[in-house]
Amino acid sequence: EVQLVESGGGLVQPGRSMKLSCAASGFTFSNYGMAWVRQAPTKGLEWVATISYDGSSTYYRDSVKGRFTISRDNAKSTLYLQMNSLRSEDTATYYCTRGLRYFDYWGQGVMVTVSS
Amino acid sequence: DIQMTQSPASLSASLGETVTIECRASEDIYSNLAWYQQKPGNSPQLLIYDANSLADGVPSRFSGSGSGTQYSLKINSLQSEDVASYFCQQYNNYPTFGAGTKLELK
Repeated sequence: EVQLVESGGGLVQPGRSMKLSCAASGFTFSNYGMAWVRQAPTKGLEWVATISYDGSSTYYRDSVKGRFTISRDNAKSTLYLQMNSLRSEDTATYYCTRGLRYFDYWGQGVMVTVSS
Repeated sequence: DIQMTQSPASLSASLGETVTIECRASEDIYSNLAWYQQKPGNSPQLLIYDANSLADGVPSRFSGSGSGTQYSLKINSLQSEDVASYFCQQYNNYPTFGAGTKLELK
């Protein structure tokens, strides 16, 4: 059974950093591109970043470019999102997802609240 | 960015009814479209990909169609467990989502 389990969320002050992790199991992690998708409270879905199966290619939405870094450790079957210079508009539930184009499995999500 | 305009924003329907949700892209997305279902308090789940391919385990009462800039999701014989929000997503370019359709029972 495919499982994606996020961790690392919580309350953080504006301008500070936070790192999210996603532990994957039930499939060969190193064969799949992965992505982070977020959802602000009572809002729609917003793609954040994507990483290729081997980590050689990464893609970001404009509003997080230069602030967020997606990475992966295939030996640990773990996906990461390093978030720097956080802003109030980054407040959302962050989902770890499997896929490069569409997303066929989603984690349960982790809440990130950016507030002073 | 490719803009996805989804309609209606909300929808009320009766059990057994057929429901259709529309999604319009701001440019041709060549059937690079997925549909997701999100039940309250849960993560989204993939329903349809490549505009009309049913994801694993999804009931056959769900179907997708469309081409170019116009796409639709149809739910035949609405069931109570179909109460959810539905989102379209294009992947012809960097992924973008529609604003969602909230489906309720009448």
